[in-house]
Amino acid sequence: EDKVVQSPLSLVVHEGDTVTLNCSYEVTNFRSLLWYKQEKKAPTFLFMLTSSGIEKKSGRLSSILDKKELFSILNITATQTGDSAIYLCAVGRIQGAQKLVFGQGTRLTINP
Amino acid sequence: GAVVSQHPSRVICKSGTSVKIECRSLDFQATTMFWYRQFPKQSLMLMATSNEGSKATYEQGVEKDKFLINHASLTLSTLTVTSAHPEDSSFYICSARDRDRGTYEQYFGPGTRLTVT
Repeated sequence: EDKVVQSPLSLVVHEGDTVTLNCSYEVTNFRSLLWYKQEKKAPTFLFMLTSSGIEKKSGRLSSILDKKELFSILNITATQTGDSAIYLCAVGRIQGAQKLVFGQGTRLTINP
Repeated sequence: GAVVSQHPSRVICKSGTSVKIECRSLDFQATTMFWYRQFPKQSLMLMATSNEGSKATYEQGVEKDKFLINHASLTLSTLTVTSAHPEDSSFYICSARDRDRGTYEQYFGPGTRLTVT
């Protein structure tokens, strides 16, 4: 059975701290790994990773994929209160209808 | 670009009635749309995959006669919750793949919060 596991499930830090969120997966026919940020409503897309070892960066956020060890990390530096959200990791497979398998999410809270 | 809308954003209905939720891709064509539900403090659970012009594919454990999906055009999919019960109360989110991008990137709608009383 395909599985995506995120850790930690919950994280509380102070503004300015750096955080690392983890996502490990066991998925047949892996195609890509995606990170989403979910605030009050629907998830918004952050990154899509398909190749190992290539860091993707957007402002204070960055992410990298390790296809040998089957995990990805999402880093957020100099955190701000607006980074408080649930961060979702999802994996897409080559076969089928390109469905995404989601992890449970990490609830990140940034305190001022 | 890549905007997905859902309507309504919030609905309260009585037990036994049916509710229709619309999902539209506003600025792109979506051959495939996905319907998810999310319970409080839980992740997204895929309910079904909706393909334009064909029958939806339902995930294991999802009743197709209860959750009717219609994908009549490249920009619209609808989910109808029939004979709703309080346990159907949840946050329903749709997503769509851009036909012309050909990637796994899915764009999510803002969600519909359904409360069945």
